[in-house]
Amino acid sequence: GENVEQHPSTLSVQEGDSAVIKCTYSDSASNYFPWYKQELGKRPQLIIDIRSNVGEKKDQRIAVTLNKTAKHFSLHITETQPEDSAVYFCAAVKNFGNEKLTFGTGTRLTIIP
Amino acid sequence: SAVISQKPSRDICQRGTSLTIQCQVDSQVTMMFWYRQQPGQSLTLIATANQGSEATYESGFVIDKFPISRPNLTFSTLTVSNMSPEDSSIYLCSVEGTGGEYEQYFGPGTRLTVT
Repeated sequence: GENVEQHPSTLSVQEGDSAVIKCTYSDSASNYFPWYKQELGKRPQLIIDIRSNVGEKKDQRIAVTLNKTAKHFSLHITETQPEDSAVYFCAAVKNFGNEKLTFGTGTRLTIIP
Repeated sequence: SAVISQKPSRDICQRGTSLTIQCQVDSQVTMMFWYRQQPGQSLTLIATANQGSEATYESGFVIDKFPISRPNLTFSTLTVSNMSPEDSSIYLCSVEGTGGEYEQYFGPGTRLTVT
């Protein structure tokens, strides 16, 4: 089955700096890659996603890049703010119409004021 | 995105008992999913629940331990049976986005503690 690895497990950055979280996946059939943000005690919230026919997607301070050849994708957060502090999970979905998500292990991002 | 609610939000149960968690969605969805999130860990899919058919369980999860019902397109239940302390986790349901989207949205979760 699909395997998703996520790095780093923890990340601390100074407020205003950029943060990058990387994930690799094993199955070349995976075609949809969402990112979730989970604040303490809250549900995971979808913040951005990318499909396999696109190399990059941006939404304000957040961007995701996908390298299908290397089978890795990354989350980029620019101009970080204290409210960006959370656990971030990447995921991969294999096969069109089958929405079974395989999650990475998570990255705890801490923004230092 | 759909509005998803879960009941109960949290519970403390004794070992050997069972707890049924409800998941309600404000719109009709074909696929509903049940996940487990152990403390400090990632999300692990327990099973996929489609209306009108038996749930599909992931490796390591069995129907006798986690029976699931899906009586209609807006509701599902997950039962955690014969609980042990190892079942202490957050249990979350999720649903696909409407309109054929790939996105999945999560319910608020049920925090279960087994003593």
